Amino acid sequence: SQQGEEDPQALSIQEGENATMNCSYKTSINNLQWYRQNSGRGLVHLILIRSNEREKHSGRLRVTLDTSKKSSSLLITASRAADTASYFCATDSGSRLTFGEGTQLTVNP
Amino acid sequence: DAGITQSPRHKVTETGTPVTLRCHQTENHRYMYWYRQDPGHGLRLIHYSYGVKDTDKGEVSDGYSVSRSKTEDFLLTLESATSSQTSVYFCAIGQGAAAGVVETQYFGPGTRLLVL
Repeated sequence: SQQGEEDPQALSIQEGENATMNCSYKTSINNLQWYRQNSGRGLVHLILIRSNEREKHSGRLRVTLDTSKKSSSLLITASRAADTASYFCATDSGSRLTFGEGTQLTVNP
Repeated sequence: DAGITQSPRHKVTETGTPVTLRCHQTENHRYMYWYRQDPGHGLRLIHYSYGVKDTDKGEVSDGYSVSRSKTEDFLLTLESATSSQTSVYFCAIGQGAAAGVVETQYFGPGTRLLVL
C-alpha cells in the first residue's frame, strides 16, 4: 500500500496564485521529500524535511511537516506556467523511499 | 538527469522475450534503484543495490532480476516479459543511507517499455 498519499490529485490555478499540495503518510519516518516531474521526464528533487523539523523554505517553496498528524504540505508561492508538473511526496522509513501517486499541478498563463 | 543515463530509452518487445535495461551513473553513488511508474500507482520500487554485488528486493520484484558488477552500472532484467510489465522504468541513485536513512535520490530520464 502507498505510504504517502497526495491531495488533491489535480490542481489548476492561474499564474501568480499560490498552490498548496498535501501529503499524508502512515508510519513513522526519518524524513519526507518532495519531487517534481515534468511530462515525459524523470523526477527532480525539490526539498527534504527531517522528522525533527517543522518547516523549511527553498526559494518559492515552503514545506511543513506535522509528525503528530503524519502529514506534510508543499506551498508554491507566486506560481508560474513553468511550475506545471506532477508533484510527489516520498517518505523514508528506513533504507528506501515510498512515493505517493502525485498531484498534477496546472498553472494557466 | 545529469550523471545518470538509461538505455534503451524506448523499447517494444513481445511477450516471453527477455529484456535488459541498463542504468549508468558517473556520480560514484553507492545506492542505485529501479522503479516502475504506472498510472494509479505512482512510483514503485522494484529492486535496489547498496553496493557492488549487493542487492535487495523492493515491493514489486516478482518477474525481475538485477545485477551490479560495477559501481556505475545497474542492470534490470525481465526474464520473460509479460504485458503487465509494460511501464515506464526509472533508475535512481543516492549517496547513501546512514543508519538506515535515505537521502536525496537523483533520477534518470526513464525507459518506456511496451510488451505486446
